[in-house]
Amino acid sequence: KQEVTQIPAALSVPEGENLVLNCSFTDSAIYNLQWFRQDPGKGLTSLLLIQSSQREQTSGRLNASLDKSSGRSTLYIAASQPGDSATYLCAVSPGSARQLTFGSGTQLTVLP
Amino acid sequence: DAGITQSPRYKITETGRQVTLMCHQTWSHSYMFWYRQDLGHGLRLIYYSAAADITDKGEVPDGYVVSRSKTENFPLTLESATRSQTSVYFCASSGRVSEKLFFGSGTQLSVL
Repeated sequence: KQEVTQIPAALSVPEGENLVLNCSFTDSAIYNLQWFRQDPGKGLTSLLLIQSSQREQTSGRLNASLDKSSGRSTLYIAASQPGDSATYLCAVSPGSARQLTFGSGTQLTVLP
Repeated sequence: DAGITQSPRYKITETGRQVTLMCHQTWSHSYMFWYRQDLGHGLRLIYYSAAADITDKGEVPDGYVVSRSKTENFPLTLESATRSQTSVYFCASSGRVSEKLFFGSGTQLSVL
């Protein structure tokens, strides 16, 4: 059974800092990996989706990388802002709708 | 506005009552999902649907019923609510399996 781990569970950084969030998974037979953002009391918003054949995806100040062989993905946030404060979750898919597996998330706080 | 909407936003009910949570999407996405989010368990799949009239169980289906007579609607019914079903419920949709998931804002359900 796929297990997805996100460490640390919480992270606090000063505004302007570059930061990296980590996601690890136990089964490398994945189809793709998604990073989501969840604001308090809200649903999840998909930030980036990386196909298994890709190494990274970029959107604005966000860059996600994927290393299938080591079972790891990172989400890099450049020049962090207070508005980036949220919980970030990763999810891996083996290509089956039933088996999308989510991590527990990293709660990020960016201090002004 | 286009998107995925859930109703009600908040619901309080009593043990043993039947409750239906509504989900509506305007993208004509084929796939729709119901998740519950609980502290300590993260996001868990209850049911999903690959198309109208096609539904299948997820990780935690017991006590829940779904239907999908139209592509755009995917209601979730708790046949006889129990306190363990107190949770935040999220509906999600995607165009194809393993594409980006789009989430609704959630329904916070309390069973007393």
